[in-house]
Amino acid sequence: QLQLQESGSGLVKPSQTLSLTCAVSGGSITSGGYSWSWIRQPPGKGLEWIGYIYQSGSTFYNPSLRSRVTMSIDRSKSQFSLHLTSVTAADTAVYYCARLRDGLYYFDFWGQGTLVTVSS
Amino acid sequence: EIVLTQSPGTLSLSPGERATLSCRASQTVRSSSFAWYQQKPGQPPRLLIYSASRRATGIPDRFSGSGSGTDFTLTISRLDPEDFAVYFCQQYGGSLTFGGGTRVQIK
Repeated sequence: QLQLQESGSGLVKPSQTLSLTCAVSGGSITSGGYSWSWIRQPPGKGLEWIGYIYQSGSTFYNPSLRSRVTMSIDRSKSQFSLHLTSVTAADTAVYYCARLRDGLYYFDFWGQGTLVTVSS
Repeated sequence: EIVLTQSPGTLSLSPGERATLSCRASQTVRSSSFAWYQQKPGQPPRLLIYSASRRATGIPDRFSGSGSGTDFTLTISRLDPEDFAVYFCQQYGGSLTFGGGTRVQIK
C-alpha cells in the first residue's frame, strides 16, 4: 500500500521560507501515469491546491501561488519537496502531499498532513 | 479559474436517510476530471468518486456521483453513522480547484 509522509518545520517566521518534504513508500515515485502534489488547508477551512510535479521534474503551480512556490523531486530518495517563500500568517495551514492521477486529476493517496504555523 | 460552489453548507440528517450534495461550477467542467472526497476531523481527505461517477476502490455502493457540465451531485443513499463528515468536490480545467465543502451532520 502506497504511503506518503510529510516532514519539515512546523513553525516558520513571517517573511521566511516554508520547506516541507514528502517521503513516498510502498510504491515507486517513478510510476507512470501519476504526479505528486501539495495541497493545504487552513484550520477550519477548505482545501487549496498548491502544485504538482512529475518524476521528470516538470512542475505546474497554482497561479495564485506561482511567484512564491518551488517544488522539486529526488527520485533516488523517493521524495519530493515544497518551498514557499515570503510566508505570512495567511500561509498557516495543514499541508498535505498526495498522488495525483495523470489525465483524470484525482488524488488517490494522501499523507496525514503536517501543520505549519507562521508566527514570530 | 473555475470556481466550485457547494450547497448546502450544512446538511442535518438522521442515519438511514438519503443525502444529496450539490456542486456547481462557474464554467463547464470536464466530467473526466471531476471528483468527490470525504474528510473526517484530523484526517486527510479520502477519495470517494472520480470522473464524476466512478467509485474509488473500497468505497461502498451507497455512494454515487452524477452530473455533467456545470452541475454535479453526490448522493449517499442511506446514511451510515460513519458517513457524517465534510465532503468536497474538486475539478481540473487547466488549474485545479476545490469546492468549499458540505458538512453532513447528525440531526
